[in-house]
Amino acid sequence: DAMVIQNPRYQVTQFGKPVTLSCSQTLNHNVMYWYQQKSSQAPKLLFHYYDKDFNNEADTPDNFQSRRPNTSFCFLDIRSPGLGDAAMYLCATSPTGGEAQPQHFGDGTRLSIL
Amino acid sequence: GQNIDQPTEMTATEGAIVQINCTYQTSGFNGLFWYQQHAGEAPTFLSYNVLDGLEEKGRFSSFLSRSKGYSYLLLKELQMKDSASYLCAVKDSNYQLIWGAGTKLIIKP
Repeated sequence: DAMVIQNPRYQVTQFGKPVTLSCSQTLNHNVMYWYQQKSSQAPKLLFHYYDKDFNNEADTPDNFQSRRPNTSFCFLDIRSPGLGDAAMYLCATSPTGGEAQPQHFGDGTRLSIL
Repeated sequence: GQNIDQPTEMTATEGAIVQINCTYQTSGFNGLFWYQQHAGEAPTFLSYNVLDGLEEKGRFSSFLSRSKGYSYLLLKELQMKDSASYLCAVKDSNYQLIWGAGTKLIIKP
């Protein structure tokens, strides 16, 4: 089945220690999104790629970076995680991001900071 | 600013009907989505409305009034597995999804 896969499901890191979260998709969608979601809050868009074009949200901290080496893979790098970065990180895809297209989500990575 | 409002929490009884409301103020409108999110899991797509009226999909229906900036999700014949958060999201003029914080639905036997 075509899907969006995030690894790992749970990630624990130390305060200030860089961490990378990964996302892969077999849907061949052009658009990939990274969201941060904290408990009982709306998902917050961090970045999105339209193909190789990178779009950074204005309020995404510089501490967060992203890479998309090819259509199938996308990575979220947190350079120096702080306690406030503990959250669920969601990867989503969309064919072209157009009007009627829902976003398809992976299962998410729950990040804990020690 | 852009804003999506939903009730924080609702409680309903197994077998009953519940309506979850959503009001929005966004820069442009390119459709409204409802997602279901079980605790600790990712959102899953439920429904899409872009024209006024009711869209029915099995036990779930979604309604849209663009002039009022209003939508609701109607869940019939509630089952225990329907206990989840329900998120309303609107695509704005830039085709970005603006998300509500979700309504936590608690189903009691």
